[in-house]
Amino acid sequence: AQSVAQPEDQVNVAEGNPLTVKCTYSVSGNPYLFWYVQYPNRGLQFLLKYITGDNLVKGSYGFEAEFNKSQTSFHLKKPSALVSDSALYFCAVRDSNYQLIWGAGTKLIIKP
Amino acid sequence: GAGVSQSPSNKVTEKGKDVELRCDPISGHTALYWYRQSLGQGLEFLIYFQGNSAPDKSGLPSDRFSAERTGGSVSTLTIQRTQQEDSAVYLCASSLVVQGSSGANVLTFGAGSRLTVL
Repeated sequence: AQSVAQPEDQVNVAEGNPLTVKCTYSVSGNPYLFWYVQYPNRGLQFLLKYITGDNLVKGSYGFEAEFNKSQTSFHLKKPSALVSDSALYFCAVRDSNYQLIWGAGTKLIIKP
Repeated sequence: GAGVSQSPSNKVTEKGKDVELRCDPISGHTALYWYRQSLGQGLEFLIYFQGNSAPDKSGLPSDRFSAERTGGSVSTLTIQRTQQEDSAVYLCASSLVVQGSSGANVLTFGAGSRLTVL
């Protein structure tokens, strides 16, 4: 079955420290992978995507994600966290019907 | 328009009443999606439109829920005889959908309509 897993409901990081938000997937064929962010009381915004090519994808707001085929993972990373990065983060993968399968979301809390 | 516009932003209604939620997608976006999100939780897929047709209605939770899209643009999600469990934020998104394209499935979301059923 095609699926996306975000194993952590919440991630806490001190400001200035590196952050990682985990995502693993299961999909047939080559994966098309996405990260979206939802700031409090706002709609979701696209952050970055992996289609093909370099395994390290750079996106908005200094975020990047690393595609790892052998581990079927697409973890979101940022070298130095900001308090303003606190939000809900969603990983998604495109399925064989060209529709998105969404993870449950991870709440990221950056403490000053 | 420049973004996806949803109205109303907030709706409080009494149990048993009907409500209509509107979504105005980005001009030229052929695909339109409705999702439901409860209390900052994950996204629950409701329905997807390609143009005016809805190839996938599998997510509608009951026959009280319906949606239509006219002119390949504005969509309306209607909930009849609302129940308290319908309380949630209803999100609309649109995208350019070209099957097989790398541009597919980058969704632009509206700010949502928060529905509270008393």
